[in-house]
Amino acid sequence: ETGVTQSPTHLIKTRGQQVTLRCSSQSGHNTVSWYQQALGQGPQFIFQYYREEENGRGNFPPRFSGLQFPNYSSELNVNALELDDSALYLCASSFGGSNSYNEQFFGPGTRLTVL
Amino acid sequence: AQSVTQLDSQVPVFEEAPVELRCNYSSSVSVYLFWYVQYPNQGLQLLLKYLSGSTLVKGINGFEAEFNKSQTSFHLRKPSVHISDTAEYFCAVSKTGGFKTIFGAGTRLFVKA
Repeated sequence: ETGVTQSPTHLIKTRGQQVTLRCSSQSGHNTVSWYQQALGQGPQFIFQYYREEENGRGNFPPRFSGLQFPNYSSELNVNALELDDSALYLCASSFGGSNSYNEQFFGPGTRLTVL
Repeated sequence: AQSVTQLDSQVPVFEEAPVELRCNYSSSVSVYLFWYVQYPNQGLQLLLKYLSGSTLVKGINGFEAEFNKSQTSFHLRKPSVHISDTAEYFCAVSKTGGFKTIFGAGTRLFVKA
């Protein structure tokens, strides 16, 4: 069984650029959640995708957007990068929708640095 | 809305000593509670969870936590720590039937020889 994988592991961008981060969910999982973890802080929920549809969103501006593909892998896109977007971006996959508890399995994250 | 407060940002402790990492939460609805561990340059790993039932929850690596509804707390304990327990620990909460998990700011556990 393959766990959750994320690419790239590290990324450096400049202010104003756009970035795409990728996540492959664990085998059999159909739900992906994305989190932003700034240095020294806990992860903050960005959004969740369930069966290719956005299932819920945290307090992030529209320049944070995502996609989920038929194989349930996912992308996080961030436009017009700001310095404060520098963080570790974590993706977590699980099986099922939001009506019951489904354990989330986290990937190792992508470290984004915005200069 | 739910929130989580981890009362200690850092906890230094000697090897083989007991440790308690404190967590308080706020919610007007029923919740699930979690503790996660994060080792350097890695993602989060679930240590234990409280969904319902017994308030004492046992997890991996010898950790346990007790859910106290009246005090809205979910403190994590281990009777004897090892050097390998050095990591960042996160308490988290999600609304039952909800879609997002709210994390605390984390507690860095540093185990000294």
